[in-house]
Amino acid sequence: QVQLVESGGGVVQPGRSLRLSCAASGFTFSSYAMHWVRQAPGKGLEWVAVIWYDGSNKLYADSVKGRFTISRDNSKNTVYLQMNSLRAEDTAVYYCARGLQYRLDVWGQGTTVTVSS
Amino acid sequence: DIQLTQSPSFLSASVGDRVTVTCRASQGISNYLAWYQQKPGKAPNLLIYAASTLQSGVPSRFSGSGSGTEFTLTITSLQPEDFAAYYCQQLNSFPLTFGGGTKVEIK
Repeated sequence: QVQLVESGGGVVQPGRSLRLSCAASGFTFSSYAMHWVRQAPGKGLEWVAVIWYDGSNKLYADSVKGRFTISRDNSKNTVYLQMNSLRAEDTAVYYCARGLQYRLDVWGQGTTVTVSS
Repeated sequence: DIQLTQSPSFLSASVGDRVTVTCRASQGISNYLAWYQQKPGKAPNLLIYAASTLQSGVPSRFSGSGSGTEFTLTITSLQPEDFAAYYCQQLNSFPLTFGGGTKVEIK
């Protein structure tokens, strides 16, 4: 079945780095754009980044631009989010999601990132 | 950036009620709007896309309407499993944005 599984979350000190992974299965990964969306504790959803199906274009929310990098390896059916210079306000559950025109139709279960000293 | 304003932010309703949630965009987004349901501790689940297209597998009591700047999500005959948070999202332009959410609770 179509599935996305995130990993790589954890507790990290401010200013440090973390890399999240999202492994896809059950569909032709290389045909789809992939997104990261996050949700701070008790808050709403915030879009973070997108990467085109072939990696040719990457876009970011202003809140993470210059600190986060999205990438993908279509041979491994995996999308990544490299997070540098982490701040307390980056604490959230991070979801990866498959992108289609008009919607994000498949979501992973999320991985929790806590930035704290 | 396109701002999405959802109302109400909180809604108390009973099983069997008809519920309507509104999402207003700060500028026209045609029909590039999706609705998601999220239950506590779970990932969002797509309900409606292109403003009014029901995602496969979603019960027909959910419906969406609107275009331009004003959109609505309607749940006819609210069921116990519908008590959750609902979010709209615009996919007209980047950065993609979400509404602030509407929490539907049991009266």
